[in-house]
Order: sequence, then structure tokens, then C-alpha cells
Amino acid sequence: GAVVSQHPSWVICKSGTSVKIECRSLDFQATTMFWYRQFPKQSLMLMATSNEGSKATYEQGVEKDKFLINHASLTLSTLTVTSAHPEDSSFYICSARDMRGQGGYEQYFGPGTRLTVT
Amino acid sequence: AQSVTQLDSQVPVFEEAPVELRCNYSSSVSVYLFWYVQYPNQGLQLLLKYLSGSTLVKGINGFEAEFNKSQTSFHLRKPSVHISDTAEYFCAVSHTGGFKTIFGAGTRLFVKA
Repeated sequence: GAVVSQHPSWVICKSGTSVKIECRSLDFQATTMFWYRQFPKQSLMLMATSNEGSKATYEQGVEKDKFLINHASLTLSTLTVTSAHPEDSSFYICSARDMRGQGGYEQYFGPGTRLTVT
Repeated sequence: AQSVTQLDSQVPVFEEAPVELRCNYSSSVSVYLFWYVQYPNQGLQLLLKYLSGSTLVKGINGFEAEFNKSQTSFHLRKPSVHISDTAEYFCAVSHTGGFKTIFGAGTRLFVKA
């Protein structure tokens, strides 16, 4: 089946620093990737949608200058949390969708990245 | 716009008992429906999906769900649960011609021995 990996699985950083999270589709080409944020005991909130080779589309209320998303290839998308603050601490999950295939309506989720900002 | 309501935030149940996790959706257009499971500190795993055809959908781990268009529901069921089914379950909806998937708030299934 389709596999999506995320790296790192967890990261602790100091307030004011930037953190990059990678999302990779390992055995398929992801024309579209999604980034979600999940607070404890809550649902997934879509942050942005990225298509390979183009700018990400951010959801209302998500600061695009703070959460930089790059989807430079069909297998890699990155989320950079710039100038992180403790309120950015959360569980970040990416998902990937290959719209060109038969499974185009299924998203494949990564295992998530736990970010803690001290 | 679509929305998803999961009617129960927590469902405690004894091992080997049946369980139903309820999900209602709202949409003015045709939708695809999904159920995902999330174990602690992990991503989401697809349990089953309804795209078209038979309204009774069978998924992994013995789960099934029934799409009821008139009641705009997509309830998840399992006839006999195991301790290992303890997890968070999310119902999700996607517009058939669209991109985004909207998730419900989640239902915590807690299976007791």
C-alpha cells in the first residue's frame, strides 16, 4: 500500500528558532499534499494544501509567513515553522494524495511529528 | 460547504460487545465518506470508505459502515470489539468533485476488559 513518512517524529526546539518537518511519499507520486495540525484530544485542522511545483493554499487563519510550505517534488513536501513559540507546540500530520490514480480520493497519512517549543 | 458531526465524544464498551460510532454529515452536493482510526501518537489509518455503489461498506479489522443518504449518516459498527480497538475514530467527508477532506471531532472508543 501507499506509505507516507514524516521526519522527525518528534522535535523539541527553543522559542524563536525555526523547525523544518519533512513529508515523503515513499512508493507513489503525490501531486497533492496536505498539512494538518492536531491539538490534544481534538480533530485534525487543515492548515494548507500544496500542489507540486506551485504555491501552497492556506486555510483561513493560518499565517503563511509563519508556516512555510514547499512542495518541490512529487515525493517531498516540507513544513517550516518559523520563529516558533510555545503556542505552536502541537502534533503536525501530513497526508498525500495521488489524484492521477484510481485511489485519487483517498489520503495517505504520515505518522505525525510532535513539536514542543520551550 | 460540508460539515461532519460525530455525536459521541467518548464511547466506553466492554470487550466482545457490539459498538456503533455515529456520524452525520451535511452537504448540498454528493460526497465521499470515510472512517479513520488513530492510535496514540500516530497518524491516521483508513478503516473504510464509501465512494459509490452498495451502501454497506466493509473495512479492515471487522468494521463496517452504512451510508444512509436520507438520514445523511454514515455510522460505523463492529459486532464484537477487542481491547486493541481502543483508539480515536474520525469520520470524514469529501466533496466528490473537490479536494478537501473535512474531519469530525472524533470519537474515543474505550474497550474495557
